[in-house]
Amino acid sequence: EVQLVESGGGVVQPGGSLRLSCVASGFTFSAYWMSWVRQAPGKGLEWVANIKQDGSEKYYVDSMKGRFTISRDNAKNSLYLQMNSLRAEDTAVYYCTRTNIATPGESWGQGTLVTVSS
Amino acid sequence: QSALTQPASVSGSPGQSITISCTGTSSDVGGSYNYVSWYQQHPGKAPKLMIYDVSNRPSGVSNRFSGSKSGNTASLTISGLQAEDEADYYCSSYTSSDTYVFGAGTKVTVL
Repeated sequence: EVQLVESGGGVVQPGGSLRLSCVASGFTFSAYWMSWVRQAPGKGLEWVANIKQDGSEKYYVDSMKGRFTISRDNAKNSLYLQMNSLRAEDTAVYYCTRTNIATPGESWGQGTLVTVSS
Repeated sequence: QSALTQPASVSGSPGQSITISCTGTSSDVGGSYNYVSWYQQHPGKAPKLMIYDVSNRPSGVSNRFSGSKSGNTASLTISGLQAEDEADYYCSSYTSSDTYVFGAGTKVTVL
């Protein structure tokens, strides 16, 4: 069974940084693209970024380029999202997803809540 | 990248069929690749993939759910509507920029 478990969320002040982690199990992590998708409270889904199996290609939504960095460690079956210069509008539940070309969300974690507030 | 356009809400009675539309552009939904997918999300839960590649169902998803596409608009049809189908539904599409875009979401109400 595919399992994705996110961690690292919490409350952070505007301008601060946070690193999210996602540990994968139940499948060969190194064989899949992976993504982060977020959902602001009461709002819709927003794709954030994805990363190729070997980390050689990364893509971001324009509004987060330069502030967010996606990375992975295949030896640890882990996906990461480094978030810098956080703003109130980054407040959301962040989901780790297993991805293929057809869909950014083949499988989903339970999400981790990031709250940006002073 | 603008969100794909979905109706805010759709409703139907048990047993009826409903259709949710998802309109984009030639750079995403209407592109040459058929990479449109649909997700179901119940309150407080993570989304669940219901349809991929426009019309394919993952294993375990009821055949009451079907998808299609015409031009820049994709559609999700739920036939034989059941109480458990009441949820939010989102479409997504791969884009010509090698990114993904989601729709704004549609709340389905079973009357």
